Amino acid sequence: DAGVIQSPRHEVTEMGQEVTLRCKPISGHNSLFWYRQTMMRGLELLIYFNNNVPIDDSGMPEDRFSAKMPNASFSTLKIQPSEPRDSAVYFCASSPNNEQFFGPGTRLTVL
Amino acid sequence: GIQVEQSPPDLILQEGANSTLRCNFSDSVNNLQWFHQNPWGQLINLFYIPSGTKQNGRLSATTVATERYSLLYISSSQTTDSGVYFCAVDPGNTPLVFGKGTRLSVIA
Repeated sequence: DAGVIQSPRHEVTEMGQEVTLRCKPISGHNSLFWYRQTMMRGLELLIYFNNNVPIDDSGMPEDRFSAKMPNASFSTLKIQPSEPRDSAVYFCASSPNNEQFFGPGTRLTVL
Repeated sequence: GIQVEQSPPDLILQEGANSTLRCNFSDSVNNLQWFHQNPWGQLINLFYIPSGTKQNGRLSATTVATERYSLLYISSSQTTDSGVYFCAVDPGNTPLVFGKGTRLSVIA
């Protein structure tokens, strides 16, 4: 199995631009999680899905953030408009039960 | 919500030394995971261990759920063991709750 796949691996953008991060979970996993990691705040859960349905988005920082999971093999996290404080590593994880498996992350830099 | 505390926060080891990392949690949990975040930022699953003891090579983990702690043992440490070790617990009503991690540096 290829594991959780995220793209892009690195993204540099300018303030105000739209950013879309993508995730392909491990086949057969029915839960998907989006996290953000920064030095100051550590690892934060943004949102998670069960069977493609958003269950808890209370960690999404602002309305500028949105996430979708149109099918079992794909999810996106969108930031519009982006701000410099959004700079972080964004991880996607998937789970078949309660054990989570993380993707390699997307390092986002907003200038 | 549940609190997860890891100790020590930082640890420096000479290559070849052994170490024990600890994870305390404040309430009962369904499951517990240990992760290693390597210097390149990747989060690697080490153990999925709600209770009991598991071993994988030089690493082993023990969770005593009734006493609300877990231990991660690293034997004969190598420089490639460097990074941050996270404990994460599943309290049952929310997804994983992570500790702040133990930063390990193994020097040659």
